[in-house]
Amino acid sequence: AQSVTQLDSQVPVFEEAPVELRCNYSSSVSVYLFWYVQYPNQGLQLLLKYLSGSTLVKGINGFEAEFNKSQTSFHLRKPSVHISDTAEYFCAVSPLSGGYNKLIFGAGTRLAVHP
Amino acid sequence: DAGVTQSPTHLIKTRGQQVTLRCSPKSGHDTVSWYQQALGQGPQFIFQYYEEEERQRGNFPDRFSGHQFPNYSSELNVNALLLGDSALYLCASSLGLAAHNEQFFGPGTRLTVL
Repeated sequence: AQSVTQLDSQVPVFEEAPVELRCNYSSSVSVYLFWYVQYPNQGLQLLLKYLSGSTLVKGINGFEAEFNKSQTSFHLRKPSVHISDTAEYFCAVSPLSGGYNKLIFGAGTRLAVHP
Repeated sequence: DAGVTQSPTHLIKTRGQQVTLRCSPKSGHDTVSWYQQALGQGPQFIFQYYEEEERQRGNFPDRFSGHQFPNYSSELNVNALLLGDSALYLCASSLGLAAHNEQFFGPGTRLTVL
């Protein structure tokens, strides 16, 4: 079984400041890792994903994440946030084996960017 | 190119009723998954359809059922509605069942059970 823990339910930050959203996961099998963003009253949009290779993954809107296998973490970072980054962010995993495409999500982190 | 579309946008039902939600996948996608997102929570996987068959199911009771049509669109049916079924229901589509394939999400259907 897999589980995802997002360590902060809310993260307030000022505009142009850096931000890190933390994500830890637990799994008995290898997984792919994802970060999704959800703007108010919208569906989820993929920010970035880690499948293999370099542990530093770059995504859209200036976000990046680093996969740390020993710590089973996949933290999301942005060096300078904008007001428009205010949204809910979800970390998710998908098991490699099983022959299906299933996402297991964390509870989410609400990022609030203040002027 | 239309993305994933869902209907209706909002729905209000009473306890014990039945509801059907609909989803059209992104053009070219053949796999549809359904997720339930309760208020303040992350989405939870309900089930996934491929080639008109349910391929994987999450921890949801049999009151939740689905269907996929030959044109890859899908329906989610919930019988005997409970107050706890109130949530945003998200449909996601992808090309095939490979775990690394990106899932594209629709805007969701907000179901309120009174």
